[in-house]
Amino acid sequence: GQQLNQSPQSMFIQEGEDVSMNCTSSSIFNTWLWYKQDPGEGPVLLIALYKAGELTSNGRLTAQFGITRKDSFLNISASIPSDVGIYFCAGEDMEYGNKLVFGAGTILRVKS
Amino acid sequence: DTAVSQTPKYLVTQMGNDKSIKCEQNLGHDTMYWYKQDSKKFLKIMFSYNNKELIINETVPNRFSPKSPDKAHLNLHINSLELGDSAVYFCASSPRVTGELFFGEGSRLTVL
Repeated sequence: GQQLNQSPQSMFIQEGEDVSMNCTSSSIFNTWLWYKQDPGEGPVLLIALYKAGELTSNGRLTAQFGITRKDSFLNISASIPSDVGIYFCAGEDMEYGNKLVFGAGTILRVKS
Repeated sequence: DTAVSQTPKYLVTQMGNDKSIKCEQNLGHDTMYWYKQDSKKFLKIMFSYNNKELIINETVPNRFSPKSPDKAHLNLHINSLELGDSAVYFCASSPRVTGELFFGEGSRLTVL
């Protein structure tokens, strides 16, 4: 099945640093979503984006829906230890009946 | 109150057995899903039901049979379990056919 290209695969950063990750696709997406998964838990929705160019914040998190509708990024500012986890992007693929497709995830580790 | 709850959380069984995982959501959502997360953490959709009707059926072996007795429940039955079925299975619900998903905590299935 189709898959989003999510990068980086993993990051190991110092507490207090800013983090940036992104997703790209060859298809045009209606919606971009960003999820975080803690160990032993299900993914939890962080930010949902519905319009091309939209920039949305949720606390220290900021995400943008790319103008071309084929990409999105997520930034985390001033990282803290509880930011550790796996971050997934997901997009609604118009070419596949608006099915939600997930990226492979970015593993974030934070050194305190 | 847990929004999307799955049982059991852990399941260890022998090859060839049949097992079921139950899912219930109290969010009033019309759409429910089953996702499989493999050892590399990749999330892949298996099934989707909208108001008890099957709307997405990915290329999943027919040993997997979902059942939705009402729109708040979506159970997954697996026949003749194989080693490759070992994974974490996530139930999710959504207020509409596509878009934001609310995940359960996952059911870790180990087939020996």
